[in-house]
Amino acid sequence: SQQGEEDPQALSIQEGENATMNCSYKTSINNLQWYRQNSGRGLVHLILIRSNEREKHSGRLRVTLDTSKKSSSLLITASRAADTASYFCATPQGAQKLVFGQGTRLTINP
Amino acid sequence: GAVVSQHPSWVICKSGTSVKIECRSLDFQATTMFWYRQFPKQSLMLMATSNEGSKATYEQGVEKDKFLINHASLTLSTLTVTSAHPEDSSFYICSAISRLDTQYFGPGTRLTVL
Repeated sequence: SQQGEEDPQALSIQEGENATMNCSYKTSINNLQWYRQNSGRGLVHLILIRSNEREKHSGRLRVTLDTSKKSSSLLITASRAADTASYFCATPQGAQKLVFGQGTRLTINP
Repeated sequence: GAVVSQHPSWVICKSGTSVKIECRSLDFQATTMFWYRQFPKQSLMLMATSNEGSKATYEQGVEKDKFLINHASLTLSTLTVTSAHPEDSSFYICSAISRLDTQYFGPGTRLTVL
């Protein structure tokens, strides 16, 4: 079953703008992960943020986690056409299983 | 980084036939692998957990007799879709857990049942 919701479901912005995607989850977690999926391809792991972390950066990516609100956000700064993809948050369920959010389809217009 | 491969990358078959999809961890051993299914414009849904040397654990609503999983070695898990029907057409993705508990995903297999 899906862990939670992501919004927006689809986002279209101009190249160079920032893109923000949000994820909400339902149960307590140890960590939350963000993945990217190009059309028809597998998943690429972007970043993992632990439950005791509030913010994490990786290059142009910035992830926040608010465990009190059970929500996370992914910010991509200075977007590029190559960032066009679907982005999913995922939370562990049990020892190793991952439960994915519904995803945000991001389109960067040149 | 660690690599997980899937074969085939796409397959088209006739209704009623069986299709086998392989998932291999190329440079690490994986005692646990997962199989996901993804319909167009939707998220990944976990189908089953594949454990080396033991029976797979299926998620609720997934027919174990239809989706046969065999984790024969520490680097190979197979998913066989038996008596496939058009509604089984989907994108099937596997993942493998490394010893560092990091999950690596395969590139996916697109199954089309005519």
